[in-house]
Amino acid sequence: GENVEQHPSTLSVQEGDSAVIKCTYSDSASNYFPWYKQELGKRPQLIIDIRSNVGEKKDQRIAVTLNKTAKHFSLHITETQPEDSAVYFCAAQRTMNSGYSTLTFGKGTMLLVSP
Amino acid sequence: SAVISQKPSRDICQRGTSLTIQCQVDSQVTMMFWYRQQPGQSLTLIATANQGSEATYESGFVIDKFPISRPNLTFSTLTVSNMSPEDSSIYLCSVKGEGEAFFGQGTRLTVV
Repeated sequence: GENVEQHPSTLSVQEGDSAVIKCTYSDSASNYFPWYKQELGKRPQLIIDIRSNVGEKKDQRIAVTLNKTAKHFSLHITETQPEDSAVYFCAAQRTMNSGYSTLTFGKGTMLLVSP
Repeated sequence: SAVISQKPSRDICQRGTSLTIQCQVDSQVTMMFWYRQQPGQSLTLIATANQGSEATYESGFVIDKFPISRPNLTFSTLTVSNMSPEDSSIYLCSVKGEGEAFFGQGTRLTVV
């Protein structure tokens, strides 16, 4: 099955700095890569995603890059703010011919943005 | 998008007992997913629940321990049976839209 590795496990930055979280996946057939943000005590929420036919996607201060050959993808947050502090999860999904698909999550990165 | 209501939000249970968690979605969905998130850990898929068929369980999870019901396209239950302290965790239900997964608010279970 799919295996998703995520690094680092914790990341501390100063407000205004950039933050980068990296993930690798093992199944070359995976074709969808979302990133979730989970604030303390709350449910995970999608912040950005990318499909395998795209190399980069940007949404304001957040961007995701995908390298299919190397099987890794990264989350980039620029101009970080204290409210960006949360746990971030990457995930990989493979859709079977039957339409059945499951998400495999990385172990998460706790991002702490200090004022 | 999908709105998911999950209950209870938390519970403290005695070991050896069972707890049933309910998940209601505001739209019809083919598949519903149940995850476990242990403290400070990632989300681990327990099983996929399809309406009208038996749930599909991931490696390490069995039906006797985590029976699932899926009586219609908007509702599912997960039961944690014969609980032990190791079952203390957050349990989340989830559905998928066009790729994106939506989650319930989770059930924080503590087994004493």
